[in-house]
Amino acid sequence: DAKTTQPPSMDCAEGRAANLPCNHSTISGNEYVYWYRQIHSQGPQYIIHGLKNNETNEMASLIITEDRKSSTLILPHATLRDTAVYYCIVSGAGSYQLTFGKGTKLSVIP
Amino acid sequence: GAGVSQTPSNKVTEKGKYVELRCDPISGHTALYWYRQSLGQGPEFLIYFQGTGAADDSGLPNDRFFAVRPEGSVSTLKIQRTERGDSAVYLCASSPDRFYGYTFGSGTRLTVV
Repeated sequence: DAKTTQPPSMDCAEGRAANLPCNHSTISGNEYVYWYRQIHSQGPQYIIHGLKNNETNEMASLIITEDRKSSTLILPHATLRDTAVYYCIVSGAGSYQLTFGKGTKLSVIP
Repeated sequence: GAGVSQTPSNKVTEKGKYVELRCDPISGHTALYWYRQSLGQGPEFLIYFQGTGAADDSGLPNDRFFAVRPEGSVSTLKIQRTERGDSAVYLCASSPDRFYGYTFGSGTRLTVV
């Protein structure tokens, strides 16, 4: 699976959009981009995934660049409950194994 | 319940002892996974079950670690002769099949003293 690079930490003001970047320059054609988050003392929670089109669900939006070498997870109106570590993972369509890095620790500030 | 249940939530054991960690997946989920998370790190894959069989146990660190899922539902991770380095949070996840997003449990925090 391709390696991902994320900033170690970010701050976001409550009510503002949180934009979390991820670089995955070695992604191959059949690999998906997944985002999970982990709130303190809980297991990781699935957020969203995509192949090449932008995706949106009730939690977030995923924007993937045309060359697929990077992506951005957008939380449109961050709340204090969105404070967590966010993991960007690249995984093949037939792969069941998720390779987690260290993620981005997002702190939402009142 | 609706989620993945893991018991116990915390386990403290002495070095050299045997421990069992239990995972009760979401009903009907055929795929079950165990991960281990050390402090400050992301989770690391241990083993994947499809039904009753271990389809991939390549992440188990050594032969002191073993996992079973005899009826294709509940799974038990077993650790023999525990060492202090085994201290971590052990996470279980399940999914309807291997192509679908996982649902993780809250984990078992194992401390070996």
